[in-house]
Amino acid sequence: ELKVEQNPLFLSMQEGKNYTIYCNYSTTSDRLYWYRQDPGKSLESLFVLLSNGAVKQEGRLMASLDTKARLSTLHITAAVHDLSATYFCAVDMEDSNYQLIWGAGTKLIIKP
Amino acid sequence: GAVVSQHPSRVICKSGTSVKIECRSLDFQATTMFWYRQFPKKSLMLMATSNEGSKATYEQGVEKDKFLINHASLTLSTLTVTSAHPEDSSFYICSASRSSGGIQYFGAGTRLSVL
Repeated sequence: ELKVEQNPLFLSMQEGKNYTIYCNYSTTSDRLYWYRQDPGKSLESLFVLLSNGAVKQEGRLMASLDTKARLSTLHITAAVHDLSATYFCAVDMEDSNYQLIWGAGTKLIIKP
Repeated sequence: GAVVSQHPSRVICKSGTSVKIECRSLDFQATTMFWYRQFPKKSLMLMATSNEGSKATYEQGVEKDKFLINHASLTLSTLTVTSAHPEDSSFYICSASRSSGGIQYFGAGTRLSVL
């Protein structure tokens, strides 16, 4: 059974600091996704990672994938208040009919 | 782009009434659409998967007679919450993909409050 674990579940940090959110999954998957959710809003797609060693960057966010370790990281560089949100990782695989399996989410609060 | 429109964004209704939520793919044909439910401070829970022209596949524990899903065209799926009760209050999110196994694009969500 494919499971996804995200940590930490809650993170409070100061502006300007760097931090990393981790996403571990239990079995081989085809794709790994990172989403952002603001309070009361739906999901905003951030990254889709397809292959081992994939790295994608957008602004202060950088996501990477290590399929051998079954680990993805979302790194935040020099955090700013606007990045406060809940971040979800999710994976899918052909064997599960590409159903998205979700992490529990990381609530990130960035204090000015 | 791949835009998914979900309507309404918020609905308040009395207990016992039925509520219909629409999910439209605006600039692509969605072979597959998904309906999720999200409880406060929780992750998304898949309710059902629907393929155009066929019956929806419901996840275990989801009452198909209560949550009616129709995917009559390649651009529209609807979720009807029948005889809604306060415990049905939640945030419902749809997503659509061009093909089975394709990347999902999410609607803006519908917040349902049943009084």
